[in-house]
Amino acid sequence: DAGVIQSPRHEVTEMGQEVTLRCKPISGHDYLFWYRQTMMRGLELLIYFNNNVPIDDSGMPEDRFSAKMPNASFSTLKIQPSEPRDSAVYFCASSDRLNTEAFFGQGTRLTVV
Amino acid sequence: RKEVEQDPGPFNVPEGATVAFNCTYSNSASQSFFWYRQDCRKEPKLLMSVYSSGNEDGRFTAQLNRASQYISLLIRDSKLSDSATYLCVVKLTGGFKTIFGAGTRLFVKA
Repeated sequence: DAGVIQSPRHEVTEMGQEVTLRCKPISGHDYLFWYRQTMMRGLELLIYFNNNVPIDDSGMPEDRFSAKMPNASFSTLKIQPSEPRDSAVYFCASSDRLNTEAFFGQGTRLTVV
Repeated sequence: RKEVEQDPGPFNVPEGATVAFNCTYSNSASQSFFWYRQDCRKEPKLLMSVYSSGNEDGRFTAQLNRASQYISLLIRDSKLSDSATYLCVVKLTGGFKTIFGAGTRLFVKA
């Protein structure tokens, strides 16, 4: 298995633009997580899905952030409009059960200028 | 108070040293515990789960103290390749919430 695949690896965008981050989880994993990592706040869980259904989005910082999972092999995290404070590394992770190991993708390094 | 607290370090140790990290958690509903390792500009990867009875994997030993609400990671005979950030992870009952500590940075020097 190729592991969790995220794209793009790097994204630089101007403030106010829409940004879409993509994730392909490991095949057969029922849980998908979106995390954000910054120096100041560390690794934060934004939202997670079970069987394509959003279960907990309490970590989503504000309405500018939205996430979807239209099928078992694809998820997106969208920021519209983007702001400089959204600059961070965004990780997608998947697991086959809720209390077991989560496998992380390589992350998307987002810079909003 | 943060839900999961770790000493950020950095810990600077020579090769061959033994080093220990602690992590405290505040929520008594915490159910599952893990140590992850994150290399610079890389994704976090599971190092080991932490079981109530304590567990060992080669040079690494993890322990859990539920009464005092802390977990620990002991690394024996440190290698240069152990240099990384070690993240303490706590999952609450039902797994509905996963909390990562901010991490402890370790530098192992020759």
